[in-house]
Amino acid sequence: AQTVTQSQPEMSVQEAETVTLSCTYDTSESNYYLFWYKQPPSRQMILVIRQEAYKQQNATENRFSVNFQKAAKSFSLKISDSQLGDTAMYFCAFMKLVVSRLTFGEGTQLTVNP
Amino acid sequence: DGGITQSPKYLFRKEGQNVTLSCEQNLNHDAMYWYRQDPGQGLRLIYYSQIVNDFQKGDIAEGYSVSREKKESFPLTVTSAQKNPTAFYLCASRKSTGELFFGEGSRLTVL
Repeated sequence: AQTVTQSQPEMSVQEAETVTLSCTYDTSESNYYLFWYKQPPSRQMILVIRQEAYKQQNATENRFSVNFQKAAKSFSLKISDSQLGDTAMYFCAFMKLVVSRLTFGEGTQLTVNP
Repeated sequence: DGGITQSPKYLFRKEGQNVTLSCEQNLNHDAMYWYRQDPGQGLRLIYYSQIVNDFQKGDIAEGYSVSREKKESFPLTVTSAQKNPTAFYLCASRKSTGELFFGEGSRLTVL
């Protein structure tokens, strides 16, 4: 079974600074998807960024970027120029292509301080 | 607007009662999912369906049941066999490129 581990239960950052959230996963598959989702206090799950395992290039979406290290099975999220609205729980998630089940980590609560 | 609609947002259940949570999507997605979230924890998969009239158990299916009679609908029934049903329930559908889109969730409380 696939497992996803987020080793930082809580993090905080000052507004306008950069923060990196860690995620590792365990799989024997060679092709899969990785995601970061954000859950603000409203509890709506919002997709932040998506990475396909066969692509070596790291995904970016505006202020959000990932560092995908396939051999190390690591998928960290970097948030640049942090904003107060980035305060949320962030979940790393893994999906095998064939079965299409999405497995989540335990989450990292990020607080952006003014 | 296209999206996923969950209802009700809040639901109270007496012990011994079955309750059904509704999930409807107009995104034309084939696959749909139900997750459970407990306070301060991640999401755990209850059931998923990749096509109409077919569904599979997830990691915590005991005490739950689903149906998938229409592409747009994937209701979840929380039965009296579920011993600790108080939780936040999230429904999702999957786009062809892999990502899941979620509804706003339903909060179930057992009285």
